[in-house]
Amino acid sequence: GAVVSQHPSWVICKSGTSVKIECRSLDFQATTMFWYRQFPKQSLMLMATSNEGSKATYEQGVEKDKFLINHASLTLSTLTVTSAHPEDSSFYICSARGQVRDNYGYTFGSGTRLTVV
Amino acid sequence: QKEVEQDPGPLSVPEGAIVSLNCTYSNSAFQYFMWYRQYSRKGPELLMYTYSSGNKEDGRFTAQVDKSSKYISLFIRDSQPSDSATYLCAMSPTGTASKLTFGTGTRLQVTL
Repeated sequence: GAVVSQHPSWVICKSGTSVKIECRSLDFQATTMFWYRQFPKQSLMLMATSNEGSKATYEQGVEKDKFLINHASLTLSTLTVTSAHPEDSSFYICSARGQVRDNYGYTFGSGTRLTVV
Repeated sequence: QKEVEQDPGPLSVPEGAIVSLNCTYSNSAFQYFMWYRQYSRKGPELLMYTYSSGNKEDGRFTAQVDKSSKYISLFIRDSQPSDSATYLCAMSPTGTASKLTFGTGTRLQVTL
């Protein structure tokens, strides 16, 4: 079945620094990847949709200059949180879109817990 | 009003109980309905997927969709402690071509 690997699983960084999160589709090509943010006891909020080789489409209210998304290949997308602040602390999850036979097209990574101190 | 409403719980049941989880939605364009299970600090994993109205069964899990009422349910029979997790409903208008809209999730605790 389809597998999406997300790294790191957790990261602690100082306020003002940048953090990069990687999302890889291990056994399939993902033309589209989704990035979500999840606060404690809340649902997944879509931040942006990235298509390989083109600019990401951000949801309303998401700062594109703060959350940089790169989808340079069919198996890798990265989310960089720039100049992180404590309010950016959250659980970030990626999802890669693949074949319908695998998870009906949506396979999620295991998430990254970001803590900004 | 949120597009998808889900009782956040928490819901606590004894082992072996039948669990009913529900979501209501307001967007009549939704046609694809999914249930995900999410363990603490992990990504969601797909449990059930249904298209349009009707029932679907997979082992101990049964998903029901009532589009006329804009209401979906997930039933878990013979619940086990390993079922303890957060359950998220999700839906989309056009399947894999579009983004998913999630409910807030229901935390379930199955006790021994």
